[in-house]
Amino acid sequence: QVQLVQSGAEVKKPGASVKVSCKASGYTFTSYGISWVRQAPGQGLEWMGWISAYNGDTNYAQNLQGRVTMTTDTSTSTAYMELRSLRSDDTAIYYCAREDNNGFLDYWGQGTLVTVSS
Amino acid sequence: EIVLTQSPGTLSLSPGERATLSCRASQSVSSSYLAWYQQKPGQAPRLLIYDASSRATGIPDRFSGSGSGTDFTLTISRLEPEDFAVYYCQQYGSSPWTFGQGTKVEIK
Repeated sequence: QVQLVQSGAEVKKPGASVKVSCKASGYTFTSYGISWVRQAPGQGLEWMGWISAYNGDTNYAQNLQGRVTMTTDTSTSTAYMELRSLRSDDTAIYYCAREDNNGFLDYWGQGTLVTVSS
Repeated sequence: EIVLTQSPGTLSLSPGERATLSCRASQSVSSSYLAWYQQKPGQAPRLLIYDASSRATGIPDRFSGSGSGTDFTLTISRLEPEDFAVYYCQQYGSSPWTFGQGTKVEIK
């Protein structure tokens, strides 16, 4: 069965960086992309960007350009999302999700809480 | 970017009733590339509907999606206790992908 297992919760200070991992299993990793979506406390869903696990192509949300980097390691079927220059409004649950070739998100990780606080 | 507006913000209904949720796009969604997700407290979202009207694997047939262009609807024919949750629409026809702000379906 398809599973996406994310790394654990993080607490960071403003200005620091965080790197969240997402280990995939149960399918051919390189046949799908991975999207990252975040959810601030009590708020809705925000799409952050996408990476192709096949060739590493990326597409980032404009408001995160320059602060976010998404990568994959095909040898371990793991996707990573790094966010730099953290601010308090980056406090959120970060989800990875498998993206179908058309763009819908059919399987989700359990989420990783990132707290940014001084 | 395409802005998705969901209505109503909150829907108060009783088990067994029919729920109708709306998602309106600021411009036409290409190829009806619209999905619906359900999210319960403390859980990740779950895909219900994709391509506006196709049910995802394992989703009960009381959930149905319809619409095209700028107007889309999620219908839950008879609410079960486990259906009380927040529902989000998402368009993936035009980058960046965007989500609606959500509709909460609560027990009346």
